[in-house]
Amino acid sequence: DGGITQSPKYLFRKEGQNVTLSCEQNLNHDAMYWYRQDPGQGLRLIYYSQIVNDFQKGDIAEGYSVSREKKESFPLTVTSAQKNPTAFYLCASSISDEGYEQYFGPGTRLTVT
Amino acid sequence: KNQVEQSPQSLIILEGKNCTLQCNYTVSPFSNLRWYKQDTGRGPVSLTIMTFSENTKSNGRYTATLDADTKQSSLHITASQLSDSASYICVVSSHTGFQKLVFGTGTRLLVSP
Repeated sequence: DGGITQSPKYLFRKEGQNVTLSCEQNLNHDAMYWYRQDPGQGLRLIYYSQIVNDFQKGDIAEGYSVSREKKESFPLTVTSAQKNPTAFYLCASSISDEGYEQYFGPGTRLTVT
Repeated sequence: KNQVEQSPQSLIILEGKNCTLQCNYTVSPFSNLRWYKQDTGRGPVSLTIMTFSENTKSNGRYTATLDADTKQSSLHITASQLSDSASYICVVSSHTGFQKLVFGTGTRLLVSP
């Protein structure tokens, strides 16, 4: 069963704690992305990776960190420096970043109180 | 500023009726335009992708149109079904060394029995 998986579906954390969201894909895609979705707003790009061991900041990278040690995995860490971390987080992947379709995971809803 | 605007914000229609969703964009340079369907609490799923040279593309009961001159697109849904209830997101891709996606805020469609 090919696709993108994100875990967990729901995540609750106390303010001041770092939390890591998982994203795994078995589509053999080179490019992976993290987006944040807030009510009434379009998806916003947090980080992207075009290839293993390389990643770039997106539009709203402050307070987030990522790693890309394996082609299949692109975990996102929400740090305590992120001022408004409560949101719906979506991971996506594509064959490359050359205009190919992006496939999205099911998302993780993070609630920080 | 690169922007994608969608209308209406929300829409309620009766099952079996048709509807048309609108998308206007100011993204430049233009690479392609996509329509995604997003069920509540899930990741977006691609419906269509259109390049500059394509002015219509269908996917079952979904038909997208693109007028690159006026920078407008529409998504027409024929013979709506209850399962069509979702948010529909217009996304414009701008390729400047990296495929940058600009997301609209979506139209929330409710199909009523």
